Amino acid sequence: KAGVTQTPRYLIKTRGQQVTLSCSPISGHRSVSWYQQTPGQGLQFLFEYFSETQRNKGNFPGRFSGRQFSNSRSEMNVSTLELGDSALYLCASSSDRNSPLHFGNGTRLTVT
Amino acid sequence: QQQVKQSPQSLIVQKGGISIINCAYENTAFDYFPWYQQFPGKGPALLIAIRPDVSEKKEGRFTISFNKSAKQFSLHIMDSQPGDSATYFCAASMRWGAQKLVFGQGTRLTINP
Repeated sequence: KAGVTQTPRYLIKTRGQQVTLSCSPISGHRSVSWYQQTPGQGLQFLFEYFSETQRNKGNFPGRFSGRQFSNSRSEMNVSTLELGDSALYLCASSSDRNSPLHFGNGTRLTVT
Repeated sequence: QQQVKQSPQSLIVQKGGISIINCAYENTAFDYFPWYQQFPGKGPALLIAIRPDVSEKKEGRFTISFNKSAKQFSLHIMDSQPGDSATYFCAASMRWGAQKLVFGQGTRLTINP
């Protein structure tokens, strides 16, 4: 079974731009969550989606948004990029809302 | 109160030794405590998880010890191997399998051959 797939693996953007990251969950998994990983703040929860609905949200500004499609694939969007948004963005999927998370290998975003 | 504090930040252990990583939490509503292992360039992978009503859980060479009264839990890696060299994260959430995890800051473990 293929794991969680995140595209692209690397992104370089300029301050003020916006970016969209994509996540394909493990086949059959219906829940998708997003995390931000930085050396300073560690792993921080962004949001959780299940059945195309956002079920939970972390403490991030409104510039961070996401969505889930009917096939469980998910995207997250960051608008008006800031230097501090440089991070590894991790997507995780699970079969339902009460099962362990399976993480992808992340998208490394660099904002210059 | 949502924090999980992890120590040490880095740890060097000789091959065959025991690696011990500690975590502490404040929120008594936490009900699920997983440990994740992350290799460079990879996402975290679930190692083992425990509930607060269990004092110890063992899976192979990995053991979680849980002290509910002290609000502390730890990961022990027995017979540590060079392949165990990775970053380890403890985490906590409000229910078993919850998607919203609060992570510790991580411990970079190096096993010397």
